[in-house]
Amino acid sequence: KAGVTQTPRYLIKTRGQQVTLSCSPISGHRSVSWYQQTPGQGLQFLFEYFSETQRNKGNFPGRFSGRQFSNSRSEMNVSTLELGDSALYLCASTKTSFTGNEQFFGPGTRLTVL
Amino acid sequence: EDQVTQSPEALRLQEGESSSLNCSYTVSGLRGLFWYRQDPGKGPEFLFTLYSAGEEKEKERLKATLTKKESFLHITAPKPEDSATYLCAVQAGGTYKYIFGTGTRLKVLA
Repeated sequence: KAGVTQTPRYLIKTRGQQVTLSCSPISGHRSVSWYQQTPGQGLQFLFEYFSETQRNKGNFPGRFSGRQFSNSRSEMNVSTLELGDSALYLCASTKTSFTGNEQFFGPGTRLTVL
Repeated sequence: EDQVTQSPEALRLQEGESSSLNCSYTVSGLRGLFWYRQDPGKGPEFLFTLYSAGEEKEKERLKATLTKKESFLHITAPKPEDSATYLCAVQAGGTYKYIFGTGTRLKVLA
């Protein structure tokens, strides 16, 4: 069974540019969450999408946005990039069953802002 | 405020030296507590989900336990391949937000 895939794996951008990251969840998983991981802050929740609707949002500025398509694939967009946006961006898809939730993470997209 | 604190930040063990990692949490209505393993440059790998105090789960050399305020990840007779960062997270009730701790970096020496 294929895992969560994220593209691209690496990105280098300059300040002021914008970037779009893509995530394909595990087949059958309808929930996709996005996280930012940095050495100083650890894993910070960005937002979660379920059936094309944003179900939850973390404490990030409006420059960070996302969306989910009908096939559950999700994209995350960051506009007007800042140096502090350099991080590993992780996507996770959630398997929901009667026993609860399990999150499965992709390999991440390493974003470097120069 | 929902919060997760992991200790210690880093731990060095000799191969075969058992130990425990701690995850203490404050959350409004626990929906679940999760343990992950993360290797450098990779996404976290799911290990366990615990839902209620008293629950225990095991997988190979790892055993996770849960109380009303904290969770422990016990590592029995660790091997060098167990070296990784172990992350704990909680899902808060009323929302679907996951709150992560900053992790424990485990190094097992041969």
